Amino acid sequence: AQSVTQLDSHVSVSEGTPVLLRCNYSSSYSPSLFWYVQHPNKGLQLLLKYTSAATLVKGINGFEAEFKKSETSFHLTKPSAHMSDAAEYFCVVSDSLSARQLTFGSGTQLTVLP
Amino acid sequence: DAGVIQSPRHEVTEMGQEVTLRCKPISGHDYLFWYRQTMMRGLELLIYFNNNVPIDDSGMPEDRFSAKMPNASFSTLKIQPSEPRDSAVYFCASSLAGRERSGYTFGSGTRLTVV
Repeated sequence: AQSVTQLDSHVSVSEGTPVLLRCNYSSSYSPSLFWYVQHPNKGLQLLLKYTSAATLVKGINGFEAEFKKSETSFHLTKPSAHMSDAAEYFCVVSDSLSARQLTFGSGTQLTVLP
Repeated sequence: DAGVIQSPRHEVTEMGQEVTLRCKPISGHDYLFWYRQTMMRGLELLIYFNNNVPIDDSGMPEDRFSAKMPNASFSTLKIQPSEPRDSAVYFCASSLAGRERSGYTFGSGTRLTVV
């Protein structure tokens, strides 16, 4: 069985400061991990993915995430927040036995203050 | 590619009416998924298809919900009769076999309101 826990339901940062959204996962097998972003009244957009290649993954809009197997974590970071980053972010896990089903975290709402 | 296309974008209907949501996956993708998103329950997988065949419908909440995929380029999710608790955003997503690790492509969703 697989699961994912997003440790913060809300994160608030000032524009220009770093962003850290935390995610821990549980998977019996070699997982694939994703971060999706959802802007208000929009669909889900893939930010980045980890698929057993490099552990530091770079995504769109300056985001990156590091896969740490020892900590079962896949935290999302960005050096400098922009107002347009305000959205909800979902950490997602899929393992080889999930028959291509994704398990979504509960989401982290990111607020960027001017 | 136009991406995953869902229609309608918004639907408001009265309790008891039939509602049909539509999805056009990305051409060539052989997996199609229906998700529901609510504030209370987050994102839930309702059903998914592989090569037009339903594989797992254990997430379908009740017999009032049904989904079909008559061909590779079209799927419907039907609710009959609809109830206010069905109000949610319904997302369709598609992916390609062997490319699951590339992630899924989601549509923009259908916001359903049942009054």
